[in-house]
Amino acid sequence: GESVGLHLPTLSVQEGDNSIINCAYSNSASDYFIWYKQESGKGPQFIIDIRSNMDKRQGQRVTVLLNKTVKHLSLQIAATQPGDSAVYFCAETLRGSNYKLTFGKGTLLTVNP
Amino acid sequence: GAVVSQHPSRVICKSGTSVKIECRSLDFQATTMFWYRQFPKKSLMLMATSNEGSKATYEQGVEKDKFLINHASLTLSTLTVTSAHPEDSSFYICSAIDRWGQETQYFGPGTRLLVL
Repeated sequence: GESVGLHLPTLSVQEGDNSIINCAYSNSASDYFIWYKQESGKGPQFIIDIRSNMDKRQGQRVTVLLNKTVKHLSLQIAATQPGDSAVYFCAETLRGSNYKLTFGKGTLLTVNP
Repeated sequence: GAVVSQHPSRVICKSGTSVKIECRSLDFQATTMFWYRQFPKKSLMLMATSNEGSKATYEQGVEKDKFLINHASLTLSTLTVTSAHPEDSSFYICSAIDRWGQETQYFGPGTRLLVL
């Protein structure tokens, strides 16, 4: 079964607002985490990743936070745009697992103009 | 960089026929590729891990004789759905890992299979 889950299956925000998508993982041994964005009818697109020796990583308009104490991962999107509307998946993997990813259920982000 | 393509993007076939889906890493070499299946509004389900030059490793519950995987080169893996049935209709997605890069999986655009 899935070991990575999400608190909110859907999230609706206004254009320009900041979005926060959350994810809980159950395998405390996981050492690499990735956020993917999937638009309708397309494959997942890499957004940002973080290793377990970090608690924060920033990209362009996106920030990933990792809290190993409570096994929680979040994706923050600044100044959300209509083009950000998609399903967002967190995924975890463990070094030595032949790079196999375990995906969360996904959160549908809808950005209202 | 790190572009993965799939072909075809969409295929419709009759029940009982076989369908081959190709996954290519366009600008990098991939010793490891993965095949996923995704149902509407669901997450990705790993079907198998494809390693170049060796047999694929299938996840529990995935029939290896039903879903044939071949990874004959560092840039190409194929998934053949044999004797397809309507319940095989799904979105099939592959991913690849750059042999010289990090362990990030880069995904293809997916193939929509409809079995009539």
